[in-house]
Amino acid sequence: QKEVEQDPGPLSVPEGAIVSLNCTYSNSAFQYFMWYRQYSRKGPELLMYTYSSGNKEDGRFTAQVDKSSKYISLFIRDSQPSDSATYLCALNNDYKLSFGAGTTVTVRA
Amino acid sequence: GAGVSQSPSNKVTEKGKDVELRCDPISGHTALYWYRQSLGQGLEFLIYFQGNSAPDKSGLPSDRFSAERTGGSVSTLTIQRTQQEDSAVYLCASSLYVSGRAGGGIQYFGAGTRLSVL
Repeated sequence: QKEVEQDPGPLSVPEGAIVSLNCTYSNSAFQYFMWYRQYSRKGPELLMYTYSSGNKEDGRFTAQVDKSSKYISLFIRDSQPSDSATYLCALNNDYKLSFGAGTTVTVRA
Repeated sequence: GAGVSQSPSNKVTEKGKDVELRCDPISGHTALYWYRQSLGQGLEFLIYFQGNSAPDKSGLPSDRFSAERTGGSVSTLTIQRTQQEDSAVYLCASSLYVSGRAGGGIQYFGAGTRLSVL
């Protein structure tokens, strides 16, 4: 079993819809939780970064962490075609990031 | 540019040849990481450099892989006697070192080198 599980999708939604992405993990030592966005043939770029359980909001993006369930989520409100990308969750407790497989999202205009 | 720079962006090589991939981190970042992204495995940690400390090479998949970092800045990942299973995107990241923070600094990634071994 992988340390971090993420459904690779693909996920296709109409413009304006809410996109819901999630990861589960098995290592309770993970303390830091991140979401990266990766466009085709580009490197991952950091979207959201959280440390504790709870919600964190940044514009149209909301990250949720539930440490008791070992479950993290990313919500994208009012999705736009420019949000079409692969979204990767990343977790760590030291300098090594453990990534989910990534979910490919397409937002249809 | 202010970001992590990697070269070449694409590399096609024949099985058995050696390749060198280069990473130029963000100026001032003391920590440097290499990851590999392949279809079946996702993103995997390869190696970590921090300042003058001994690198953490625990993620290197075989002794055909090596990396060095000269002058605390530019890093080169070398793959000797390449195999077809080495085909992947090799990503470099850098971060500030945050003392006392177990998770290190936030990692910023380059665009990667897409390696194809024929």
